[in-house]
Amino acid sequence: AQSVTQLGSHVSVSEGALVLLRCNYSSSVPPYLFWYVQYPNQGLQLLLKYTSAATLVKGINGFEAEFKKSETSFHLTKPSAHMSDAAEYFCAVRGGGYNKLIFGAGTRLAVHP
Amino acid sequence: KAGVTQTPRYLIKTRGQQVTLSCSPISGHRSVSWYQQTPGQGLQFLFEYFSETQRNKGNFPGRFSGRQFSNSRSEMNVSTLELGDSALYLCASSAGQADTDTQYFGPGTRLTVL
Repeated sequence: AQSVTQLGSHVSVSEGALVLLRCNYSSSVPPYLFWYVQYPNQGLQLLLKYTSAATLVKGINGFEAEFKKSETSFHLTKPSAHMSDAAEYFCAVRGGGYNKLIFGAGTRLAVHP
Repeated sequence: KAGVTQTPRYLIKTRGQQVTLSCSPISGHRSVSWYQQTPGQGLQFLFEYFSETQRNKGNFPGRFSGRQFSNSRSEMNVSTLELGDSALYLCASSAGQADTDTQYFGPGTRLTVL
């Protein structure tokens, strides 16, 4: 069975600092992994996805994530945080069957001046 | 291209009532998935429809049901509402042809059960 663990329910960074949001997965098959962002009162927006091509995946808004099979990790990073990055971030793995995403609990990112 | 739309955006119901939520996918997408988001349980998969057929189902009671029409629009129904059904209900559409297809989410319907 597939599962996702996001370490840290809240992360706070200064504007301009590195953003690192952690995600570890468990999967019995080669995983497809996703990062989504959710702004208040909105749905989810895809940041990036890993589908077994390049292990370093670049997404929108300057985010990227690296798939590390040996560590079963797919951490999300951004070199320099912006105030507009404040949101909740969800890591997800494709679950069993069609179009089923299994989400982590989410990490709320706060960016302060 | 228009995104995924969900109606209504907000709903208030009382216990025991039933409710129907609607989702219109991106044009050309044939798959619609539904998710429930609550503070306690997070994001949980309800079910997925493709070409009017339910292809996948999560672990929710039979009070939660859905259907998909020939134009790919989907509805979700919850009968005999309970307080615990208060949640943000999100639908997502995708082409539905491959496991790597991206799911695009709508803004959600916020259901409050009193």
